[in-house]
Amino acid sequence: EAQVTQNPRYLITVTGKKLTVTCSQNMNHEYMSWYRQDPGLGLRQIYYSMNVEVTDKGDVPEGYKVSRKEKRNFPLILESPSPNQTSLYFCASSSLPGQEDEAFFGQGTRLTVV
Amino acid sequence: RKEVEQDPGPFNVPEGATVAFNCTYSNSASQSFFWYRQDCRKEPKLLMSVYSSGNEDGRFTAQLNRASQYISLLIRDSKLSDSATYLCVVGGGLSTSGTYKYIFGTGTRLKVLA
Repeated sequence: EAQVTQNPRYLITVTGKKLTVTCSQNMNHEYMSWYRQDPGLGLRQIYYSMNVEVTDKGDVPEGYKVSRKEKRNFPLILESPSPNQTSLYFCASSSLPGQEDEAFFGQGTRLTVV
Repeated sequence: RKEVEQDPGPFNVPEGATVAFNCTYSNSASQSFFWYRQDCRKEPKLLMSVYSSGNEDGRFTAQLNRASQYISLLIRDSKLSDSATYLCVVGGGLSTSGTYKYIFGTGTRLKVLA
């Protein structure tokens, strides 16, 4: 079954404690991205990657890092989380433009930073 | 000006009504267009892709107007189960670093009333 898997689904952490949210896809997609969703602001792109070792900033990259060492994995790293990073996070993957580039989403990670 | 703009709604319509959403985009180089549906606290899921020739899937019709840079979604004979947030997604405009971007609208909330 084609899927994007995020972990954890729910996380409560304290300010400053480094955390990683994992994302893995089994569709051999080149393109992967991270979004955060906040009330009234919709989905905002944090980082995206067009292929292994190719990453780029989205609209709200501050406070986040990513890596793409393997095609299937695209972890999101918060080196020093702050309360304003409390949000619902989604990972997505798709093929490249010009192909069937429907984006598949993970089920989301609800992060609370206290 | 936002790169992708949608009316946030909410649109409250009676069952059986026809409702239309519009979405405008600013990047004329955009290549791909989609409507996604998102239920509360769930991940977005593809509703339909949008092509220049327009496309129809049952009660749903999507149109693309490249000259005016907008896409539309028409829902006929609304059902209670259509209640959700509808996200407009535009892809293919290159970022300043030359990589491919997906941009999401903030979504339009639809509530179908019995």
